[in-house]
Amino acid sequence: ETGVTQTPRHLVMGMTNKKSLKCEQHLGHNAMYWYKQSAKKPLELMFVYNFKEQTENNSVPSRFSPECPNSSHLFLHLHTLQPEDSALYLCASSPQRGVQPQHFGDGTRLSIL
Amino acid sequence: KQEVTQIPAALSVPEGENLVLNCSFTDSAIYNLQWFRQDPGKGLTSLLLIQSSQREQTSGRLNASLDKSSGRSTLYIAASQPGDSATYLCAYSGGSNYKLTFGKGTLLTVNP
Repeated sequence: ETGVTQTPRHLVMGMTNKKSLKCEQHLGHNAMYWYKQSAKKPLELMFVYNFKEQTENNSVPSRFSPECPNSSHLFLHLHTLQPEDSALYLCASSPQRGVQPQHFGDGTRLSIL
Repeated sequence: KQEVTQIPAALSVPEGENLVLNCSFTDSAIYNLQWFRQDPGKGLTSLLLIQSSQREQTSGRLNASLDKSSGRSTLYIAASQPGDSATYLCAYSGGSNYKLTFGKGTLLTVNP
């Protein structure tokens, strides 16, 4: 148990569907992160939130829309995805931005049909 | 472009062997370097974190070293066990300290 919980663990969706990924942390952290892990590629940082404010958008396409209603919850809303978006999406948290290490959830395995 | 290279991409060893995983990075102004472990279908677990002012960190059978001048880090695993089988990822953070740049990882298999 890492203290960071992601749901669902697996998601299969069509390109026209709308779905959301959820991340919840029970560590009292104030920074949360979304990463994308594709086969044969290094982990890529997507978004960073610090005290509920988005501080980083790493040139992510607008079909990915993050939401951070409070420091414990982070969502990634998905719509009109492409096959190349199939990947493992990992959420992480840290005490605040700039404090390591980050604590990772087990990820959501996303498959786009 | 900032990059992290991990060699080898995959490694298979018999149980009990000592082994070294290598990581090289191109950014000379790193803030710290971390080694993570990732089990199949799971997230990342931080194993060791080396600050830029440090040369090495140790935790149990694991020892990580950092040489900023040459842009290299090594992860030494002593007396390997089948439970050590996993993918090992190296990542560093630059001046901002929140943006981690990852390598592709080394897939380690320790055979009983």
